[in-house]
Amino acid sequence: EAQVTQNPRYLITVTGKKLTVTCSQNMNHEYMSWYRQDPGLGLRQIYYSMNVEVTDKGDVPEGYKVSRKEKRNFPLILESPSPNQTSLYFCASSLRGKETQYFGPGTRLLVL
Amino acid sequence: GENVEQHPSTLSVQEGDSAVIKCTYSDSASNYFPWYKQELGKRPQLIIDIRSNVGEKKDQRIAVTLNKTAKHFSLHITETQPEDSAVYFCAASQWQKVTFGTGTKLQVIP
Repeated sequence: EAQVTQNPRYLITVTGKKLTVTCSQNMNHEYMSWYRQDPGLGLRQIYYSMNVEVTDKGDVPEGYKVSRKEKRNFPLILESPSPNQTSLYFCASSLRGKETQYFGPGTRLLVL
Repeated sequence: GENVEQHPSTLSVQEGDSAVIKCTYSDSASNYFPWYKQELGKRPQLIIDIRSNVGEKKDQRIAVTLNKTAKHFSLHITETQPEDSAVYFCAASQWQKVTFGTGTKLQVIP
């Protein structure tokens, strides 16, 4: 089944404890993105990647890192999480030349 | 950078009526405008999209119009049904740089 998966789906952590949210897609998509969703603010793009080893900042990249070492994976890294990073995070992928994005199920993060 | 404004933030309609959601964007370089539907607790799902070289697109009860000169685009849902109740997001993008609107919560009253 063609899909985008994220792990974990729910995470409670404490300020400063490094964490990684994984994202994987099995559709051979070149493009992948990370978004955060907050009430009243919609979805905001954190980082995107147009291919392996090619990443670029979205609108809200501060406090986040990403890497794209393999085509199928695009992990989101929070080196020192803070409470203002409490949010719902979505990963998405799309095929080059086709802008339609397929979203993962989301990861709900709470930083205490 | 791009700025997308979406109105209204909430919309209630009677079943069978039409619903219209409007978005404006600021960057004339944006060339792709998708609309997503997000049901409670679910991921956003694309319902319709339009590219900058097209003025209107329709898919059954859903249509999108784009006015490039005025930099605004709209979602039209006709003959609304209770299952249309959800949050709808517009977006404007250039390549993979995507900016979303803040969402419209649509309630269809049976």
